[in-house]
Amino acid sequence: DAGVIQSPRHEVTEMGQEVTLRCKPISGHNSLFWYRQTMMRGLELLIYFNNNVPIDDSGMPEDRFSAKMPNASFSTLKIQPSEPRDSAVYFCATTGGFNSPLHFGNGTRLTVT
Amino acid sequence: AQKITQTQPGMFVQEKEAVTLDCTYDTSDPSYGLFWYKQPSSGEMIFLIYQGSYDQQNATEGRYSLNFQKARKSANLVISASQLGDSAMYFCAMSTGQNFVFGPGTRLSVLP
Repeated sequence: DAGVIQSPRHEVTEMGQEVTLRCKPISGHNSLFWYRQTMMRGLELLIYFNNNVPIDDSGMPEDRFSAKMPNASFSTLKIQPSEPRDSAVYFCATTGGFNSPLHFGNGTRLTVT
Repeated sequence: AQKITQTQPGMFVQEKEAVTLDCTYDTSDPSYGLFWYKQPSSGEMIFLIYQGSYDQQNATEGRYSLNFQKARKSANLVISASQLGDSAMYFCAMSTGQNFVFGPGTRLSVLP
């Protein structure tokens, strides 16, 4: 089991550019979460999917953020256009059930200049 | 609404001593799970221990134990025999079948 795989590990981009973060969940896990972590705001839930369907996207900051899960083995988080305040570590995490732990990917460190 | 509170932004402990990290939670759901995660300076999130709301006994995993007091809605993490490698951020989290909510974390520093 390779665990949750996120790519890229690091992303540096200029303000206004589109950024796409990718996540491959653990096989068999049917819930997928996207979190953002900053020093100021800690771990923030952006959105989560259950069986590929978005359940709660109330944490998505604004329309510049969008997330998709086209199938059980892939999810993307897109920021368009990116802004410096989007700089953070973005984690994808998956679980097979709510009484099971979340398994986190290694995160994508995004820097927007 | 579900909420996790960790009132200790930072804690210090002497190597080989035990330390307790506090966590209180708020939920109206009768069924929930409580989790602790460790985040070392390298950044990965490491699952440590789980306690279900209906579990009668406190969870233990090696040097980690969870002091679960349901009536007080607390789920404190106890680390016995602290090691230098335990220095990290520690997050308490709760799941209720609808969401996973994390607390703000406690930074633990183990002193040699």
